[in-house]
Amino acid sequence: DVKVTQSSRYLVKRTGEKVFLECVQDMDHENMFWYRQDPGLGLRLIYFSYDVKMKEKGDIPEGYSVSREKKERFSLILESASTNQTSMYLCASSPSRTVVFGQGTRLTVV
Amino acid sequence: AQSVSQHNHHVILSEAASLELGCNYSYGGTVNLFWYVQYPGQHLQLLLKYFSGDPLVKGIKGFEAEFIKSKFSFNLRKPSVQWSDTAEYFCAVIPNTGFQKLVFGTGTRLLVSP
Repeated sequence: DVKVTQSSRYLVKRTGEKVFLECVQDMDHENMFWYRQDPGLGLRLIYFSYDVKMKEKGDIPEGYSVSREKKERFSLILESASTNQTSMYLCASSPSRTVVFGQGTRLTVV
Repeated sequence: AQSVSQHNHHVILSEAASLELGCNYSYGGTVNLFWYVQYPGQHLQLLLKYFSGDPLVKGIKGFEAEFIKSKFSFNLRKPSVQWSDTAEYFCAVIPNTGFQKLVFGTGTRLLVSP
């Protein structure tokens, strides 16, 4: 089975901190995604990457950046965390048309 | 860019009732369609998917969905729900070509009362 692993299940950070969310997949997939999930808004795409060092903005990239230095790892960076970035963050990986999700990281910014 | 609409935000049913959750998408080309489920406290799981062929797709736990191309719809159905079906359900679309960006609807929260 494909595994997508997010480094933390729960994180609490302070406003203004730089935050790194890490995601690793073990199946050599080209495509990787970062979503945030909020009640009533569903899953909204932040960024995605279709290859090493390649990235594309999703629907809500403001306040975020990403890094993909190795194929298996896709990092989401909150440059200066704000309270409105409190959310559930989901990483996903895809070989082509099927997407596998990690377990999610619940981030609270205080 | 593709988009997905789920018109029912909250649905409450009694056990044994039939379920139909609506999903409509907009996209100019061919797409692949998915329904995901998220049980309380758990992560997203794939219920079923449509790539091509028979438009009536059967998934896990007795769910099925029908792709109606002319209506841009992919509604989820289950003839008789159980209390354990209480969850949030998400419809999602990914284009068949180009950047394969998976786009979700806003979700439908289903509560099944015993």
